[in-house]
Amino acid sequence: KAGVTQTPRYLIKTRGQQVTLSCSPISGHRSVSWYQQTPGQGLQFLFEYFSETQRNKGNFPGRFSGRQFSNSRSEMNVSTLELGDSALYLCASSPMSGRETQYFGPGTRLLVL
Amino acid sequence: QQPVQSPQAVILREGEDAVINCSSSKALYSVHWYRQKHGEAPVFLMILLKGGEQKGHEKISASFNEKKQQSSLYLTASQLSYSGTYFCGTDGGSNYKLTFGKGTLLTVNP
Repeated sequence: KAGVTQTPRYLIKTRGQQVTLSCSPISGHRSVSWYQQTPGQGLQFLFEYFSETQRNKGNFPGRFSGRQFSNSRSEMNVSTLELGDSALYLCASSPMSGRETQYFGPGTRLLVL
Repeated sequence: QQPVQSPQAVILREGEDAVINCSSSKALYSVHWYRQKHGEAPVFLMILLKGGEQKGHEKISASFNEKKQQSSLYLTASQLSYSGTYFCGTDGGSNYKLTFGKGTLLTVNP
């Protein structure tokens, strides 16, 4: 089975811009979770989607949003970028829930200048 | 709440043993362990369920103390390939998510 894929792998943006990241889960997996990883902070949960519904959201401002499509692919969007949004954004998929074993994609590294 | 991992970093020589701890203030349903090598995605190592037994994976094993909401990861006779950052992810039984600790950086030197 193909693993989780994320596009793009690298992004450079400037403050105030917006960005959309994409994630394709493992075939058959219906749950997609997003995490922000910054040095020293570990993996911070952003949100989890299942069957096009957001079931949980982490403690991030409303500038962070996401959605899931009927084929389980997911996107996350960050509007009005700030310098502190620079991070590695990881997507993970699992069969049914974000509580299950998470299969991570390679991540999108976002740099905000 | 984010689980607390200790130590934050550890340096070993090949063949030495290490223990990484993960502690939560909440009651836990399960604990997951992942390893992330530099520049790569986290990779699942093992899961410990409430009421389950100690798990093992070659020379890497883990335990889960439900009463103390603590889990420990044991790495014996470490190899160079064990180097990386180890994360525990805790499941409180609801909310469709894992909560990860800040990680423990393990470096194994020849």
